[in-house]
Amino acid sequence: DAKTTQPPSMDCAEGRAANLPCNHSTISGNEYVYWYRQIHSQGPQYIIHGLKNNETNEMASLIITEDRKSSTLILPHATLRDTAVYYCIVRGHSGGSNYKLTFGKGTLLTVNP
Amino acid sequence: DAGVTQSPTHLIKTRGQQVTLRCSPKSGHDTVSWYQQALGQGPQFIFQYYEEEERQRGNFPDRFSGHQYPNYSSELNVNALLLGDSALYLCASSPAVTSGGAKKLDTQYFGPGTRLTVL
Repeated sequence: DAKTTQPPSMDCAEGRAANLPCNHSTISGNEYVYWYRQIHSQGPQYIIHGLKNNETNEMASLIITEDRKSSTLILPHATLRDTAVYYCIVRGHSGGSNYKLTFGKGTLLTVNP
Repeated sequence: DAGVTQSPTHLIKTRGQQVTLRCSPKSGHDTVSWYQQALGQGPQFIFQYYEEEERQRGNFPDRFSGHQYPNYSSELNVNALLLGDSALYLCASSPAVTSGGAKKLDTQYFGPGTRLTVL
């Protein structure tokens, strides 16, 4: 799986958009970008994933650059409950030989009142 | 629709003991993965079970073993506990890649975890 690079921490004001960047310059053509978040001492929560098109769901939007070497997770209106560690993970489509998720250290997003 | 459940929530053991952690997957999922998360670190993959067999294993010693039952629930067993085994143990479930001939992306959904403390 391709390695990802994320800033260790970010701050955001409540009600504003939070934009979390991720670099994955060695991503290959069949690898997806996944985002999870983990609120203190809870299990990671799946947020969104994408291959090459931008994706949006009820939680967030995922913007993937055209060359797929980086992506941005956008929380449109951050709330205090969005304070968490956000993990960007690149992973091949299952059906090959690699089924695991490889977590880095993620980005600690702190939403301030 | 129940999500992934794990038991117990907390556990305290002493060095050298054995422990069994349990996981029930999300409804409709048949694959279970286990992760270990030490304090301040991201989760590390232990192994994945599918069709009652270990399908992939991470870099963990043989003291870590598992089992999957016909109802898809799973257990993680750790023998000869060490202080360094203290961690949050996470179970994740995912759907089969193929179902009825159609391929699905096997997005993993995590349970709340079991906090193991080894004294």
